Amino acid sequence: KQEVTQIPAALSVPEGENLVLNCSFTDSAIYNLQWFRQDPGKGLTSLLLIQSSQREQTSGRLNASLDKSSGRSTLYIAASQPGDSATYLCALSGARKTQGGSEKLVFGKGTKLTVNP
Amino acid sequence: DGGITQSPKYLFRKEGQNVTLSCEQNLNHDAMYWYRQDPGQGLRLIYYSQIVNDFQKGDIAEGYSVSREKKESFPLTVTSAQKNPTAFYLCASSSTGDSALSSYEQYFGPGTRLTVT
Repeated sequence: KQEVTQIPAALSVPEGENLVLNCSFTDSAIYNLQWFRQDPGKGLTSLLLIQSSQREQTSGRLNASLDKSSGRSTLYIAASQPGDSATYLCALSGARKTQGGSEKLVFGKGTKLTVNP
Repeated sequence: DGGITQSPKYLFRKEGQNVTLSCEQNLNHDAMYWYRQDPGQGLRLIYYSQIVNDFQKGDIAEGYSVSREKKESFPLTVTSAQKNPTAFYLCASSSTGDSALSSYEQYFGPGTRLTVT
């Protein structure tokens, strides 16, 4: 059974710092991996999706990497801003498709990031 | 605007009452999902549907029911049999894809917070 772990559970940094959020998983047979952002009381916003054949994806100040052999993904945030404060969730789907083709996501518990002005 | 809507944002019910949460999407996605989020826990899958008139149980389906009569709509009913219904409920959708290159990226609605007393 796939297990997804995100450490640390909470992180506080000063504005402007570059930071890395970690996600580890137990089964390397994944189909894709998504990083989400969740603001308090809100839904999830998809930040980046990495397919199993890819090593990284970039969007603005965000860069996500995937290393299936070590069971790890990282989300790099450059030049952090107070507006980046949120909970960041990692989720991945298995390579074996469920009947009909759609994938079920397995989520980590998230890292709560606080960027202090 | 394309997206997923959930209503209402907040819902209060007395114990023993059934309640239905609405989820609508205009992304033309075949697959839709319901998740439950509790403090300190990751998202857990309740039910999912890959096509109209078909749905499957997720990891925590007991005490819940769904229907999928239209592609755009996937309502969730929380029945009186659900022992701990107070939670934040999130709906999501994705394409199912016709090729191996399909990403199955999931998009989420804003959520409904249900409180049962």
